[in-house]
Amino acid sequence: KAGVTQTPRYLIKTRGQQVTLSCSPISGHRSVSWYQQTPGQGLQFLFEYFSETQRNKGNFPGRFSGRQFSNSRSEMNVSTLELGDSALYLCASSLRGQHNYGYTFGSGTRLTVV
Amino acid sequence: QQQVKQSPQSLIVQKGGISIINCAYENTAFDYFPWYQQFPGKGPALLIAIRPDVSEKKEGRFTISFNKSAKQFSLHIMDSQPGDSATYFCASPSGTYKYIFGTGTRLKVLA
Repeated sequence: KAGVTQTPRYLIKTRGQQVTLSCSPISGHRSVSWYQQTPGQGLQFLFEYFSETQRNKGNFPGRFSGRQFSNSRSEMNVSTLELGDSALYLCASSLRGQHNYGYTFGSGTRLTVV
Repeated sequence: QQQVKQSPQSLIVQKGGISIINCAYENTAFDYFPWYQQFPGKGPALLIAIRPDVSEKKEGRFTISFNKSAKQFSLHIMDSQPGDSATYFCASPSGTYKYIFGTGTRLKVLA
């Protein structure tokens, strides 16, 4: 059974640019959540999508956005990149969004903003 | 802003010993409380999760103890092994489908 696939694995961008990250969930999973992980702040919730609808979002500026497609694949976009956006971006998929059996993280996209 | 307080930040245990990590949450418990294990270069992996109406859950060498009245829960790793050396995170539900994570505990098990 394939896991959660995130692409690309590594990304280097310049301040002011925008970036799009992709997440393919486990087959059959309809919920996709996104997290930002940094050494200083730990894991912080960005947003959760289920059947193309955003059901909740974290405390991030509007520069961070996401969407989910009908096949449950999800993308997140960060516009006007800042140095502080450098982080590991993780997505996780599950059947319904609960952190019990089947909640699975991908290996993440390491974003570096220079 | 709601927080999840996790302790200790780091832990060194001898092989065969018991590792104990604690978390305290602030909001009302209504959904699963999970523990995650993360190795360098990998995403967190769900280790074990407990419902708030259960006081203890055991899976192999891993046990969650949950104290709803004190708003605390802990992870116990029995017979700790060098392969358990990783960073462990607890998480608390905070609103629908939203979770707040603890700051992590770096565990090192000495051979």
